[in-house]
Amino acid sequence: GAVVSQHPSWVICKSGTSVKIECRSLDFQATTMFWYRQFPKQSLMLMATSNEGSKATYEQGVEKDKFLINHASLTLSTLTVTSAHPEDSSFYICSALTSGSETQYFGPGTRLLVL
Amino acid sequence: AQSVSQHNHHVILSEAASLELGCNYSYGGTVNLFWYVQYPGQHLQLLLKYFSGDPLVKGIKGFEAEFIKSKFSFNLRKPSVQWSDTAEYFCAVNAGGSYIPTFGRGTSLIVHP
Repeated sequence: GAVVSQHPSWVICKSGTSVKIECRSLDFQATTMFWYRQFPKQSLMLMATSNEGSKATYEQGVEKDKFLINHASLTLSTLTVTSAHPEDSSFYICSALTSGSETQYFGPGTRLLVL
Repeated sequence: AQSVSQHNHHVILSEAASLELGCNYSYGGTVNLFWYVQYPGQHLQLLLKYFSGDPLVKGIKGFEAEFIKSKFSFNLRKPSVQWSDTAEYFCAVNAGGSYIPTFGRGTSLIVHP
């Protein structure tokens, strides 16, 4: 089946620094990638949808200047949390969709802890 | 906007018990329905999906779900659970041709030996 990887799997950073998370589709081309945030014991909250080569579409309430998304190729999307604060600590999950498919394949997630 | 409700937030069962997790959605048009599972420390995996056809869908690991259009439901079932089924289960719905799913808040299942 389709495999999606994320790197790093976990990261600890100081408040005010920026953190980049990579999401890669390993064995298929992902025309669309999604970024989610998951709080403990809660569901996935969609942050943004990104299509290769175009600007990401952010969900209401998600700051586009804080969560920078780049989908430069059909196999890679990156999420950069800029000037991270402790309240940004969370589990970030990406998923990927290939053209013509309606099934998303999820990455393993990245746990971010901002001190 | 559509919403997805999972009524059981926490379920605790003994091994070999039968399982049914509820999922209801609010959208009157065409839907695609999914159940995902998240084992402890692992990523979300697709259990099963319904797009069209037979409303009784069989998935991996002995799970099945039934789409009942009149009830706007897509309940997940397994006749006999195992300890290894301990996980979070999420129902998700794509509505109206959208490929962006709406997730339910999840059900935490604990199966004890």
